[in-house]
Amino acid sequence: AQSVTQLDSHVSVSEGTPVLLRCNYSSSYSPSLFWYVQHPNKGLQLLLKYTSAATLVKGINGFEAEFKKSETSFHLTKPSAHMSDAAEYFCVVSGGVSGGSNYKLTFGKGTLLTVNP
Amino acid sequence: GAVVSQHPSRVICKSGTSVKIECRSLDFQATTMFWYRQFPKQSLMLMATSNEGSKATYEQGVEKDKFLINHASLTLSTLTVTSAHPEDSSFYICSPGEGANYGYTFGSGTRLTVV
Repeated sequence: AQSVTQLDSHVSVSEGTPVLLRCNYSSSYSPSLFWYVQHPNKGLQLLLKYTSAATLVKGINGFEAEFKKSETSFHLTKPSAHMSDAAEYFCVVSGGVSGGSNYKLTFGKGTLLTVNP
Repeated sequence: GAVVSQHPSRVICKSGTSVKIECRSLDFQATTMFWYRQFPKQSLMLMATSNEGSKATYEQGVEKDKFLINHASLTLSTLTVTSAHPEDSSFYICSPGEGANYGYTFGSGTRLTVV
């Protein structure tokens, strides 16, 4: 079985300050982990993906995430928030089951990021 | 990355009617198509997984006779919501895959409102 927990439903930061969106996962197998961003009434955009290569994954728009197996975490960070970063962010796990469901994506409940001027 | 075209982006229909949502993979051979549903202020939930040329696999609690999925080619998959009810109002999103190449692209979503 696989699951993902986003620890904060809402994070509010000031423009120019660091962003930290927390995610913990549970998986029976070596998982793939993703972070997506969703702007209102829009589809999802992939920020980054971890697939058992380097544990520090760099994504688009200055975001990065670090896979920590000992902590079962995959937190998303950005050094300096921009107003355009305001959106919903989803942490996703996959590959945590065997057989035909190996590519099933299991989404966290999402974290709404607000960026204040 | 792969380009996916999903339409319509928004549809309003009357209760009891059917609505078809199309998802086209424009530059990618989608052997698999994942269909997700997102209720307001909630996360995405996988509804079903379709493989080209075979029957779709539905997640627990999703009625296969209500949500008809057709994946007749490597570039087109359709989701038909039959006998729509207001509780089917949701945001439906597709995502293509080919083997281990998945999760990179999503359609822009279809906002379905049943009145």
